[in-house]
Amino acid sequence: GDQVEQSPSALSLHEGTGSALRCNFTTTMRAVQWFQQNSRGSLINLFYLASGTKENGRLKSTFNSKESYSTLHIRDAQLEDSGTYFCAAEASSSFSKLVFGQGTSLSVVP
Amino acid sequence: AQTIHQWPVAEIKAVGSPLSLGCTIKGKSSPNLYWYWQATGGTLQQLFYSITVGQVESVVQLNLSASRPKDDQFILSTEKLLLSHSGFYLCAWAGGQGNTEVFFGKGTRLTVV
Repeated sequence: GDQVEQSPSALSLHEGTGSALRCNFTTTMRAVQWFQQNSRGSLINLFYLASGTKENGRLKSTFNSKESYSTLHIRDAQLEDSGTYFCAAEASSSFSKLVFGQGTSLSVVP
Repeated sequence: AQTIHQWPVAEIKAVGSPLSLGCTIKGKSSPNLYWYWQATGGTLQQLFYSITVGQVESVVQLNLSASRPKDDQFILSTEKLLLSHSGFYLCAWAGGQGNTEVFFGKGTRLTVV
């Protein structure tokens, strides 16, 4: 079936530093979304990409459909960035089905 | 602006009892609607989707059913809960007609005891 492989599964960052999360896809994806899940469980929309790169503040995301991957870069991490980050993608062949990665648990420490 | 409201916020139910969870979307006509389930510490799994009133497609069989009685309402239910039904249920919507960005409600936390 359609698969989304997300890495790393957990990440610890000191405030002010940065890192990247990555999702690899095993099939052609139409679009990708990135979410942050906070401690209450709410999913916050970070990015929606059908191709290319988008940037919002300290976050930047890229979706390369040809090479089947997407990345989320976080720079200058802040304490409030802590949470679980998910990528989710819609396969070109599976209408209306969004497949989620396993998530990255991010902890930002002072 | 579109808003999505889920109810209840949390439920504690006994094994074998019935369940009904609801979701209402305001400010968007004819949205695509989805139900997702998340086990504690796990990822999200799509359960059902609906692109129009009265039509619901099942993605995963978990002894649950869904209905869309109105354009803006999506209901998840079962007549008999299992322990394995515990988790976090999220309703979501997308604009449809090629617009596939999905937006989630705040979820319902279900504990089956």
